[in-house]
Amino acid sequence: DQQVKQNSPSLSVQEGRISILNCDYTNSMFDYFLWYKKYPAEGPTFLISISSIKDKNEDGRFTVFLNKSAKHLSLHIVPSQPGDSAVYFCAANNFNKFYFGSGTKLNVKP
Amino acid sequence: EPEVTQTPSHQVTQMGQEVILRCVPISNHLYFYWYRQILGQKVEFLVSFYNNEISEKSEIFDDQFSVERPDGSNFTLKIRSTKLEDSAMYFCASSVQGAFRGQTQYFGPGTRLLVL
Repeated sequence: DQQVKQNSPSLSVQEGRISILNCDYTNSMFDYFLWYKKYPAEGPTFLISISSIKDKNEDGRFTVFLNKSAKHLSLHIVPSQPGDSAVYFCAANNFNKFYFGSGTKLNVKP
Repeated sequence: EPEVTQTPSHQVTQMGQEVILRCVPISNHLYFYWYRQILGQKVEFLVSFYNNEISEKSEIFDDQFSVERPDGSNFTLKIRSTKLEDSAMYFCASSVQGAFRGQTQYFGPGTRLLVL
C-alpha cells in the first residue's frame, strides 16, 4: 500500500534557511492532508493540515502547499530552527482512515 | 496540558499469547485511533473508533485484533494470539472532532511490543 509517498528519507538544512519537505499521493479521493512531526521515543505531533479543496494553508513558520493536478504536497518551514530537527510524516485521509508516508528526517544545522 | 497516555511503555510477550494495550485518551475527545510502526518503517493506521463502534479499519486489523472502550476513560487494543510480526510500536491517538476533517489528532507516547 503506497498511496502516500515521501521519496526523500532525509534532508539537511542550515538554520535560518527554508526547509521543503515533499510528499506525493495516488488517491484522488483523499479529503485532507496532514503533516506530523516525530521525535525519537515520542508519538507523532500534529503540525498542520490542508483540505483537498484548498491549495495553501499557513500557520506561523509552517506552510503547506497542495498541487492536486500533480498529486503533490509540500511543507515549507521558514526560517528553519535546530529544534525543527525531527522526522516529518505526511499523511492523508479518506474519511476516518489514514495513510502515512515513510517519513523524511530533517536535520537543521546551527 | 492534557495528553494521551499509554500503558505499558514496553511489553514483551511470547508468540501465541494475548496482549492488551491500554490508552487513556484526552477526556473530552470523541474519536480514538490505533496505529503501529514497525521498526524502521512507516506509521500504519489500524483502526478508528467513534460512538462505541469501529469507524474504519485497515487491512492489517484482522480478526486477531479488537478494540474496546470498557469504561469512560480507557481505550484498549487487544491482540488475541500474537505473532512475531506484531512486534512494533503501537500508538493510540484521539481527537475532539474527527481527524478526517483535518482536526488535530493527539498521539500518545506509544507502547513498544516485542513478541518472542
